[in-house]
Amino acid sequence: GNSVTQMEGPVTLSEEAFLTINCTYTATGYPSLFWYVQYPGEGLQLLLKATKADDKGSNKGFEATYRKETTSFHLEKGSVQVSDSAVYFCALSVDTGGFKTIFGAGTRLFVKA
Amino acid sequence: GAGVSQSPRYKVAKRGQDVALRCDPISGHVSLFWYQQALGQGPEFLTYFQNEAQLDKSGLPSDRFFAERPEGSVSTLKIQRTQQEDSAVYLCASSWTSSAGELFFGEGSRLTVL
Repeated sequence: GNSVTQMEGPVTLSEEAFLTINCTYTATGYPSLFWYVQYPGEGLQLLLKATKADDKGSNKGFEATYRKETTSFHLEKGSVQVSDSAVYFCALSVDTGGFKTIFGAGTRLFVKA
Repeated sequence: GAGVSQSPRYKVAKRGQDVALRCDPISGHVSLFWYQQALGQGPEFLTYFQNEAQLDKSGLPSDRFFAERPEGSVSTLKIQRTQQEDSAVYLCASSWTSSAGELFFGEGSRLTVL
């Protein structure tokens, strides 16, 4: 089946620390991969995406590379800010006769000043 | 409107009551999705529409759940004879494409069943 596994949180970092949130996936077929973010009190929004192997998605200083050989899409940021505190969801989208997006359980990030 | 709009934002129902949750997607968006999000969990897929056609309803947890999008725009998720385990946030998302692409989410409808 199709599924996404991401590291459990919460993750607590100090401002300017390096961030990695691990994500691995299982998919039948060739999925597109996404990271969504949910800031406090807001709806989910797309952070970045990658549609094929070795593609790197990037946005707001965050990056993730589609690794087909390790079925991974880890999220990284070199220097986090307090404003990055949010819940991050890894997701995949695959053709099941229509495109269904499947989400991981989410990883909550707290960044301390 | 500018974004996906869901109503009501909060709903408290007594066990056994029927509820209806509305989603107004971004104008022109072809695809519409419903998800259920339990506290501390990721969104779980419920059902998917492409225009007015319901292409996938494999995630609906029981026959008490029913969704429709009769004119290919506004959608309603109906839950009959609500149970406590139905308590969750129900998220609606829309997309301009019928292939893998960005989902635009509403803020959700939080259902509490007493």
